[in-house]
Amino acid sequence: GDSVTQMEGPVTLSEEAFLTINCTYTATGYPSLFWYVQYPGEGLQLLLKATKADDKGSNKGFEATYRKETTSFHLEKGSVQVSDSAVYFCAQGTSYDKVIFGPGTSLSVIP
Amino acid sequence: DAGVIQSPRHEVTEMGQEVTLRCKPISGHNSLFWYRQTMMRGLELLIYFNNNVPIDDSGMPEDRFSAKMPNASFSTLKIQPSEPRDSAVYFCASSRGTGMSNQPQHFGDGTRLSIL
Repeated sequence: GDSVTQMEGPVTLSEEAFLTINCTYTATGYPSLFWYVQYPGEGLQLLLKATKADDKGSNKGFEATYRKETTSFHLEKGSVQVSDSAVYFCAQGTSYDKVIFGPGTSLSVIP
Repeated sequence: DAGVIQSPRHEVTEMGQEVTLRCKPISGHNSLFWYRQTMMRGLELLIYFNNNVPIDDSGMPEDRFSAKMPNASFSTLKIQPSEPRDSAVYFCASSRGTGMSNQPQHFGDGTRLSIL
């Protein structure tokens, strides 16, 4: 069945370091792919999305490219800030508008 | 624009009591989702409505849980009787249901439920 796998955390980085969070998906077709972010005490928020192969989603300095050949959607940011500390969820769209979420990756950025 | 509104934000009650969680989706969204989040099990989909009709309730843990959506602007999740293992953060989310699976979900800030 459809599933999403992402690197387990926690990830700890120094401010201005490069961030990569790996995400791979399993699906029968070509689903839309999403990254969500959850700050402490809040609900999940859409960070970026891509709806077809080779699309690049981007927002707030974060980027992810839909790679059909490797079934991946890795999240990257060139220079993280303390304010980026949060939990990041990779997700894919599935039948009937449902979304399958990965387990989440906790990121801590230290000054 | 107003986002998804959940109430209450926090609920503390004793085991055996009835708990009702409420959700107002974003106007114009016709899909609504209830999730439960815990450290042990992560984010779990409990039930999904489309145009006020329950489509998939396979994630509802047991008969103690029930959900309704009487109209397009309101939904409830009820637990009766509540148990300590129901303690979690419950999220409501809504989206423009297109059937194309390309619409993002918009989450409320959740209800943090503690059952003593």
